[in-house]
Amino acid sequence: AQSVTQLGSHVSVSEGALVLLRCNYSSSVPPYLFWYVQYPNQGLQLLLKYTTGATLVKGINGFEAEFKKSETSFHLTKPSAHMSDAAEYFCAVTKDKMVQGAQKLVFGQGTRLTINP
Amino acid sequence: GAVVSQHPSRVICKSGTSVKIECRSLDFQATTMFWYRQFPKQSLMLMATSNEGSKATYEQGVEKDKFLINHASLTLSTLTVTSAHPEDSSFYICSARDQVYGYTFGSGTRLTVV
Repeated sequence: AQSVTQLGSHVSVSEGALVLLRCNYSSSVPPYLFWYVQYPNQGLQLLLKYTTGATLVKGINGFEAEFKKSETSFHLTKPSAHMSDAAEYFCAVTKDKMVQGAQKLVFGQGTRLTINP
Repeated sequence: GAVVSQHPSRVICKSGTSVKIECRSLDFQATTMFWYRQFPKQSLMLMATSNEGSKATYEQGVEKDKFLINHASLTLSTLTVTSAHPEDSSFYICSARDQVYGYTFGSGTRLTVV
């Protein structure tokens, strides 16, 4: 079975500071990993994903994440926080290989990011 | 990019009535659609998975007779909350999956049962 743990349900940083949102996963097979952002009363928007290849993945809005197999981690970072980054962030994992049948996304608990002016 | 349209965005209904939520993939064919429920300040809880033309697969603890899912075409899935009660009030989100775009989410539906 796969699972995702996001350390810290709430992270608060100052505008312009480094953003670090932590995600650790558990998977018995090579995983596909995702980070999503959710603004209030909206669906989820994909920030970035790791499938295969380069372990440092760059996404939208200046975010990036690094897949570290040895640490089973996929932490999300952004060098300089902006007020518009305030939102809920979800890490998710699924099995690799988009074979027939449903491959469910397993979500972490979410991290609420607050940006202080 | 892929777009999933979910309607309505908000609905208020009386207790005992049924509500239908639509989820459409606008520019791609979704082999699989997922329905999630999200409680305030919590993560997404998968309710069911549906493939076009076949019965939905419900997660443990989800009442299939209360949450009817129809996936009649490769671009449309519907979730009907039957005989809704206040405890069914929640945020419902659909997701469509295909080989090219992966998972694309709808914008969600806020259901309030009064």
